[in-house]
Amino acid sequence: DVKVTQSSRYLVKRTGEKVFLECVQDMDHENMFWYRQDPGLGLRLIYFSYDVKMKEKGDIPEGYSVSREKKERFSLILESASTNQTSMYLCASTAQGTTEAFFGQGTRLTVV
Amino acid sequence: LAKTTQPISMDSYEGQEVNITCSHNNIATNDYITWYQQFPSQGPRFIIQGYKTKVTNEVASLFIPADRKSSTLSLPRVSLSDTAVYYCLVGERYSTLTFGKGTMLLVSP
Repeated sequence: DVKVTQSSRYLVKRTGEKVFLECVQDMDHENMFWYRQDPGLGLRLIYFSYDVKMKEKGDIPEGYSVSREKKERFSLILESASTNQTSMYLCASTAQGTTEAFFGQGTRLTVV
Repeated sequence: LAKTTQPISMDSYEGQEVNITCSHNNIATNDYITWYQQFPSQGPRFIIQGYKTKVTNEVASLFIPADRKSSTLSLPRVSLSDTAVYYCLVGERYSTLTFGKGTMLLVSP
């Protein structure tokens, strides 16, 4: 059974903390994505990566960075967490040349 | 990326066929049409993808007219468990996945 796994289901962090959200996929997919989802706003793309050590900004990259040192792992980093980054974060992966994405279960992050 | 427009919400009853239409007037030659389903507190799940005419799988059918400026996701005989948000995406297979706000389908007994 193919799988995208996010390290935490729920996370509570304090304002100003550095936060790491981890995502691992076991399908040898080239592409990986990070989205955030907020009520009424749908899914918004933060960053994506199409290869190891490669990254591209999505629609809302401000306040975030990413790391992809290995093909199966894509990390989202909140350099200094703020309350407006409280959200559901979703990781996804696709094989090259397809639009069939597999999503993780999501991480609900609360910044207090 | 082609912009998509779909209804914000739809209501249906168990056992009915549901058709959700998505408009994508500026679809490009290389764009594919993909639909996803999302349940509360879960990530979206791929349902179906097509380029033109009709595609059918065990979950749904996708109808695409010749001009490809719209598409219709058809769910046969819905049940309560089909209550979810449905997203229409349009883009090249090598592009990123851009989700809109989707259509909230509510199925009632």
